Amino acid sequence: AAGVIQSPRHLIKEKRETATLKCYPIPRHDTVYWYQQGPGQDPQFLISFYEKMQSDKGSIPDRFSAQQFSDYHSELNMSSLELGDSALYFCASSSARQRNEKLFFGSGTQLSVL
Amino acid sequence: RKEVEQDPGPFNVPEGATVAFNCTYSNSASQSFFWYRQDCRKEPKLLMSVYSSGNEDGRFTAQLNRASQYISLLIRDSKLSDSATYLCVVNIGMNTGFQKLVFGTGTRLLVSP
Repeated sequence: AAGVIQSPRHLIKEKRETATLKCYPIPRHDTVYWYQQGPGQDPQFLISFYEKMQSDKGSIPDRFSAQQFSDYHSELNMSSLELGDSALYFCASSSARQRNEKLFFGSGTQLSVL
Repeated sequence: RKEVEQDPGPFNVPEGATVAFNCTYSNSASQSFFWYRQDCRKEPKLLMSVYSSGNEDGRFTAQLNRASQYISLLIRDSKLSDSATYLCVVNIGMNTGFQKLVFGTGTRLLVSP
């Protein structure tokens, strides 16, 4: 079965550069969530989208923005990167139309800021 | 105080042992509860949902106590492959369709031969 696809798997950037992470949800899933997991930390909710509209916002810095496109894929744009942005970024998807539908996570993008 | 608290461990147990993890949550309006398993630098994977009546899936048993805001996971007959971090997860989303998952810091389990 198709899973949540994230790209790239690994990304190395320098301070003050920009990065774009992509997420392709499971087919027929309409909701996308972004999480950030620092070394030794638990995943922290950043932002979510339903039907291309932001549905909830967590601890996402102002330097980051995200959107969901008409094909339901989502992109997380990160600007003015800082060393502290180095983390594993997970995308998850679910179907808001199906009651109690579970979240499924992608394999993540490992971002290293040097 | 974190919204979801777990004993970070690590729990070191021999194969075949029974081990229990506990978790407390602070938001009494929490809608649903889960245990996720995470292997090193991999994505969290849903292990099981947690219901008030308690639910069992093979060697795994989960229990929810809403009055005490407490969740537990019991693993019987531990296998080497059970070694992982177990994340207690609470959904605080107010709308059934939208999930806002809050993760505990995880409990590390190490099963040795």
